Amino acid sequence: IAGITQAPTSQILAAGRRMTLRCTQDMRHNAMYWYRQDLGLGLRLIHYSNTAGTTGKGEVPDGYSVSRANTDDFPLTLASAVPSQTSVYFCASSSGQGDTGELFFGEGSRLTVL
Amino acid sequence: GQNIDQPTEMTATEGAIVQINCTYQTSGFNGLFWYQQHAGEAPTFLSYNVLDGLEEKGRFSSFLSRSKGYSYLLLKELQMKDSASYLCAVLESNYQLIWGAGTKLIIKP
Repeated sequence: IAGITQAPTSQILAAGRRMTLRCTQDMRHNAMYWYRQDLGLGLRLIHYSNTAGTTGKGEVPDGYSVSRANTDDFPLTLASAVPSQTSVYFCASSSGQGDTGELFFGEGSRLTVL
Repeated sequence: GQNIDQPTEMTATEGAIVQINCTYQTSGFNGLFWYQQHAGEAPTFLSYNVLDGLEEKGRFSSFLSRSKGYSYLLLKELQMKDSASYLCAVLESNYQLIWGAGTKLIIKP
């Protein structure tokens, strides 16, 4: 079944450690996104990529980095995790440039930083 | 500034009708989305409105008034499985998507 796969689904991490959340899609979508979702707040965009080889900063990019070496993969890295990065992280993709179409989301990665 | 408002929580009875409102103030407008998110799961697409009026899709309908900065999602013949959060999101003129905090809908038998 086509879709987006995220890993890990859940992780507890010590502050200061480096962590990479993986995201892979098999729909050949051009655009991919990383969001974080916190209680009482809307989804907030961390980074995005309109096409392979390009990335951009979203609303809350500090402390995060991404890469888009190919169409399918869009990993999110926390270089040195802090407790405020405790959140649920969703990877998403869409077929068009920018945010013009329906977003397809992965199942989420629940990250706890202690 | 950018702002999307929707009620935090609503309760309705199985078989009834519920309307979830969303008001927005954003930098331009290129459409409004509604997504459904069950607890612990990913959001899934429900509807997209870019022109004024009502879009009907089965038990769910979505309405948009651009002049009022207002949308609603109407759910008819409520079922227990409709218990979820409903997220309103606006596509701004720069094609950035701005999300509301979501409305948690509780369905009671």
